[in-house]
Amino acid sequence: LAKTTQPISMDSYEGQEVNITCSHNNIATNDYITWYQQFPSQGPRFIIQGYKTKVTNEVASLFIPADRKSSTLSLPRVSLSDTAVYYCLVGGANQGGKLIFGQGTELSVKP
Amino acid sequence: EPEVTQTPSHQVTQMGQEVILRCVPISNHLYFYWYRQILGQKVEFLVSFYNNEISEKSEIFDDQFSVERPDGSNFTLKIRSTKLEDSAMYFCASSEDRGSYNEQFFGPGTRLTVL
Repeated sequence: LAKTTQPISMDSYEGQEVNITCSHNNIATNDYITWYQQFPSQGPRFIIQGYKTKVTNEVASLFIPADRKSSTLSLPRVSLSDTAVYYCLVGGANQGGKLIFGQGTELSVKP
Repeated sequence: EPEVTQTPSHQVTQMGQEVILRCVPISNHLYFYWYRQILGQKVEFLVSFYNNEISEKSEIFDDQFSVERPDGSNFTLKIRSTKLEDSAMYFCASSEDRGSYNEQFFGPGTRLTVL
């Protein structure tokens, strides 16, 4: 299974763009990159997923370079309600469905 | 929007007692999961379930744990004889399809406190 490394914590201010980078040097060819968000005392929530290049949805963008050894979750103009833990997960069909969570990045958005 | 529900939201029990945590997955989903999160630690996979049988389980999911889909809607996690170290948030999740690249929808969790 591909190991992921991401910063333990990040601070930001309302209205700023936040970029959280995740390293996954041993990503396999059939692995996807998925980001989940978790608010305190709640279950994780899917944010975005990609395989290569760039993916954008109404919540975030995901940038994946050609070598796929890292990925960057971009949150545009964060608000206080974006304060949460963000998890980068790497896996594919051969993982059998289970999600392997790391420690995640604790994002704190200040006014 | 359909969602996964879990009951109870908080369960307090004495060490050695049996507990059953209940989940109602999203109705058209076929794959079900249990995860746990000890306070301050990461989310850990316990078990996956499909077609009325366990697909995969982690080392944490020992003989004290069992899962069941007793009817067409509920999915339960039973801990036969709780230990202090079972205190955690337990999350149920479901997905339409298998594979970690398929979005899993998590419930709000049950906080289990073992005294």
